[in-house]
Amino acid sequence: GQQLNQSPQSMFIQEGEDVSMNCTSSSIFNTWLWYKQDPGEGPVLLIALYKAGELTSNGRLTAQFGITRKDSFLNISASIPSDVGIYFCAGNTGNQFYFGTGTSLTVIP
Amino acid sequence: DTEVTQTPKHLVMGMTNKKSLKCEQHMGHRAMYWYKQKAKKPPELMFVYSYEKLSINESVPSRFSPECPNSSLLNLHLHALQPEDSALYLCASSQDRSIETQYFGPGTRLLVL
Repeated sequence: GQQLNQSPQSMFIQEGEDVSMNCTSSSIFNTWLWYKQDPGEGPVLLIALYKAGELTSNGRLTAQFGITRKDSFLNISASIPSDVGIYFCAGNTGNQFYFGTGTSLTVIP
Repeated sequence: DTEVTQTPKHLVMGMTNKKSLKCEQHMGHRAMYWYKQKAKKPPELMFVYSYEKLSINESVPSRFSPECPNSSLLNLHLHALQPEDSALYLCASSQDRSIETQYFGPGTRLLVL
């Protein structure tokens, strides 16, 4: 069953604003991944995290692997219209791979 | 190169048809996955191949039949599908099951009439 709680479910923001979303679980994860998916396309890997406490950036995106290994967040700074899409967290507990429920991001120009 | 390719991009089939979806990667990955995704939902795992052997079948109906001819190719054979099987079918690959950083293909949009 679903073990990743992702929030918020949706966000409507003004262009230029910063965005923050997160995933939490009751289970310990070995890896945390963040994907972006455009309609009708496959998820694209944005950031991969492999160690507790790891903070990684990819351009305007920053993600962190929580110290407890049970959570992760993704921040997007200075949002632009092409940031629109659904963002999924995902992770591996060592036994199984899980997806979060997704955060739908709308950027208003 | 982190590319996973899938063909066809779109597929329309009747409930009596037989068709196949194809997936290919040349990253040397030894784990490959099939997912089904409905609109605005996360991908749902169907099958996992590890070193060309089926390692996970998530109770998928037998009208879906996976095949891994070699380490670079993954097929999904479709037969006697139902309209509720209409979805985006995604293929992914990872280095192996111990490092499950999965890279996804663009998907096949399937419509069953």
